[in-house]
Order: sequence, then C-alpha cells, then structure tokens
Amino acid sequence: DGGITQSPKYLFRKEGQNVTLSCEQNLNHDAMYWYRQDPGQGLRLIYYSQIVNDFQKGDIAEGYSVSREKKESFPLTVTSAQKNPTAFYLCASSNMQGASGETQYFGPGTRLLVL
Amino acid sequence: AQSVTQLDSQVPVFEEAPVELRCNYSSSVSVYLFWYVQYPNQGLQLLLKYLSGSTLVESINGFEAEFNKSQTSFHLRKPSVHISDTAEYFCAVSDFGGTSYGKLTFGQGTILTVHP
Repeated sequence: DGGITQSPKYLFRKEGQNVTLSCEQNLNHDAMYWYRQDPGQGLRLIYYSQIVNDFQKGDIAEGYSVSREKKESFPLTVTSAQKNPTAFYLCASSNMQGASGETQYFGPGTRLLVL
Repeated sequence: AQSVTQLDSQVPVFEEAPVELRCNYSSSVSVYLFWYVQYPNQGLQLLLKYLSGSTLVESINGFEAEFNKSQTSFHLRKPSVHISDTAEYFCAVSDFGGTSYGKLTFGQGTILTVHP
C-alpha cells in the first residue's frame, strides 16, 4: 500500500538535545511538507520541499532544520534552539511539485514531548 | 496573504441530527478550498475540495460543502451525523497559483462531538 510513514510515534527530548523525526513516502510525490500542530491553533507550516535537494522555510522555521536528499525522505530535526518543541508533528506530501490545488496526503504524526 | 476562520471551536450534536461547521476565508486572489478530517491521534485525511465548477461539492460519506464567493465562505454540512463522525475538522485554502507552489493555510479546527 502506498502511503506516508512517520517514526517514531512518540519522541522524548531532553533539554539541549537535538532530535530527528523521520518521514518517508512511497507515493512518488515531488513535494513534501512538515507541519506543527498545537491545540486550538490548527496546523502551521515549518518547512516544505518541492523537489529533491531543495527546500524552503515555512511560517515557523526557527529552531528546525530539514534535508531532502532523496525523493522519498524528508527528515525534520528539532534543534536545541527550539524552546517550545512540545507538539504534534505532521508530515505530508503532494504531487505536481506542490502546485496549487493539489491534495496533500498526511502521515500519522509524531508526538514530541520534552522531559 | 490568506487567512481562514473557523467560527466554532467545538460543536456538540446528537446522533442523526444535522450539523454545519462554518468556515470563512480572506484572500486577495482566487482560492481553492479544502476540508480535512482528523481522528484522534492520527494524521489528516482529505474530506472534499473545491477547485472549480459546481459550487456544491460532496464527499463519499455524506458531507457536502458549498463555496460562496460573495460571502467568502465554505461551510461543511451533513444532514444526519453518526457517532463515527466524531473528529476534528479543518478548513484550508490555497491560492490560485496555477502550476506554482500553492501554500495551504489552515483554520484553527472544529471539534465535532456526536452524542448517542
């Protein structure tokens, strides 16, 4: 079955630690996205990538970093500079390099908690 | 810049009753409109979307939404809800960018709770 996988399901971060969230898709989609979800705030875009080896900052990129070395993979690193990382993180992908109107397909999410 | 306002953060309703989840948007250009549904601790799934043509769009599970350009609204309706419709619903807009990247802007979400 085609789809998007995110791992781990739960992740715990200690103070000053960088952590990496995995996102893999086998839909052969060009574009991939990372969103952060906080209660009552909807989804906010962290980073997006329309094609391999290229990515752009979204609305709340500070304290996060990404890479896009393969079409199938778009890992997100939450750095120690992100002072409030506790949230539900969602990865998505879409076809046509993310052209307007294209449906975004979402993974099951990773919940990040700070110890 | 675009913005989306979902007018109700929570909507409680009894099973088999009708429901309307309200969504208004603001944009200086033409838009595409989406409704996504999120079940607890899961990702989002597309419910329906409006790209062009008929302003009334339907989903396979009985939801429908109507694009009203003059009122800049895209309200979601279902004539008779089931317990299984309990979820959070997100309205989203994307500008009419043609083949260029179309950023998706989400509303704050509406939690629909269906009571027996």
